[in-house]
Amino acid sequence: EPEVTQTPSHQVTQMGQEVILRCVPISNHLYFYWYRQILGQKVEFLVSFYNNEISEKSEIFDDQFSVERPDGSNFTLKIRSTKLEDSAMYFCASSAGGPDTQYFGPGTRLTVL
Amino acid sequence: AQSVTQLDSHVSVSEGTPVLLRCNYSSSYSPSLFWYVQHPNKGLQLLLKYTSAATLVKGINGFEAEFKKSETSFHLTKPSAHMSDAAEYFCVVTASGYALNFGKGTSLLVTP
Repeated sequence: EPEVTQTPSHQVTQMGQEVILRCVPISNHLYFYWYRQILGQKVEFLVSFYNNEISEKSEIFDDQFSVERPDGSNFTLKIRSTKLEDSAMYFCASSAGGPDTQYFGPGTRLTVL
Repeated sequence: AQSVTQLDSHVSVSEGTPVLLRCNYSSSYSPSLFWYVQHPNKGLQLLLKYTSAATLVKGINGFEAEFKKSETSFHLTKPSAHMSDAAEYFCVVTASGYALNFGKGTSLLVTP
């Protein structure tokens, strides 16, 4: 069964450093998403991406964040200058169409020291 | 804005007894509602979804949920709990666009 994959599973970085989280969505899906879950809090929407552009973003997704689909398979989330409060589990998801079921990857745990 | 409230942060049941995880929603229009499950160190897996077809929705692993508009509820049930059901369960509503708005989660503990 096709699944969303994410790498790395755990990323540790120093405050102020740039990080890139990688995702490989399900191959025939057209919509891609990033969510995050700070420890002890609920899962929060960050951004959705369709047709090579951002279709929606939350207040969390400020100028420090960017997303890219650099090739036909990868979908990345970049945080330019990490802060302590960026420490969280980051989930990638994809769906065939906008209103269709979103399938989630296993997540990347980001720890900012 | 569309939102969900999960009424219990923790639920504990004995193996073989029924499971009830409660969720109320708030929506200005007919919502799409979901239940996702997260096992330890695993990703989020869709259990079931409601999209204005039948009000009783059957999902995987014997779970089902009933959409009750009059009560603005979408409770998740299972007749008989199994040890493997121990996990975190999230009630989710489609927010603006296609973004999902998650509840805070209910941790289900199943005791032998």
